Amino acid sequence: SQQGEEDPQALSIQEGENATMNCSYKTSINNLQWYRQNSGRGLVHLILIRSNEREKHSGRLRVTLDTSKKSSSLLITASRAADTASYFCAIVQTGRRALTFGSGTRLQVQP
Amino acid sequence: GAGVSQSPRYKVAKRGQDVALRCDPISGHVSLFWYQQALGQGPEFLTYFQNEAQLDKSGLPSDRFFAERPEGSVSTLKIQRTQQEDSAVYLCASSRESGGGADTQYFGPGTRLTVL
Repeated sequence: SQQGEEDPQALSIQEGENATMNCSYKTSINNLQWYRQNSGRGLVHLILIRSNEREKHSGRLRVTLDTSKKSSSLLITASRAADTASYFCAIVQTGRRALTFGSGTRLQVQP
Repeated sequence: GAGVSQSPRYKVAKRGQDVALRCDPISGHVSLFWYQQALGQGPEFLTYFQNEAQLDKSGLPSDRFFAERPEGSVSTLKIQRTQQEDSAVYLCASSRESGGGADTQYFGPGTRLTVL
């Protein structure tokens, strides 16, 4: 079963706009990660945030984590058509090694 | 350097056939994971190896699924007597670390299995 729930399920924006995706989970975690998957391609790791961190940046990406609400958000600023993909959050539960993925947000960036 | 590779990339099997899917992790990576991704869904964990030891197989859906990594590098996922519900993309990932759970997992391109 999939622990994470992404919101929204699908998002369509114009190039240059910001995109925000949310993720909620149910258990205690070691860390939370965001991945991108282009159509027909493998998963690419974007960013990892540990359970004792609240915010992390990487280029145009900003991730927040609120462990009291068991939620995270991914913000992509100044989006590009090349950002079109499915985005997944994945948690590493405390005491485990495997990733538990959500069902993903499908982002479409219109040129 | 080379990433995680998987073969074959596509496999079509008739219901009841056995299949074997191969994963070549990044050289030197201690941990290896298998995931199953159904169409339109996120990947779901199947099993995890640390070197040659299978430490977690809690995600394997039935005893028809078997994985091995005998020398601590290449891994094979075998599915016996395939069923239509086994149709999915099978993803392999490897990571450098041997403990902690905070290391990046690098994914291969996957094997798309279609069972007719």
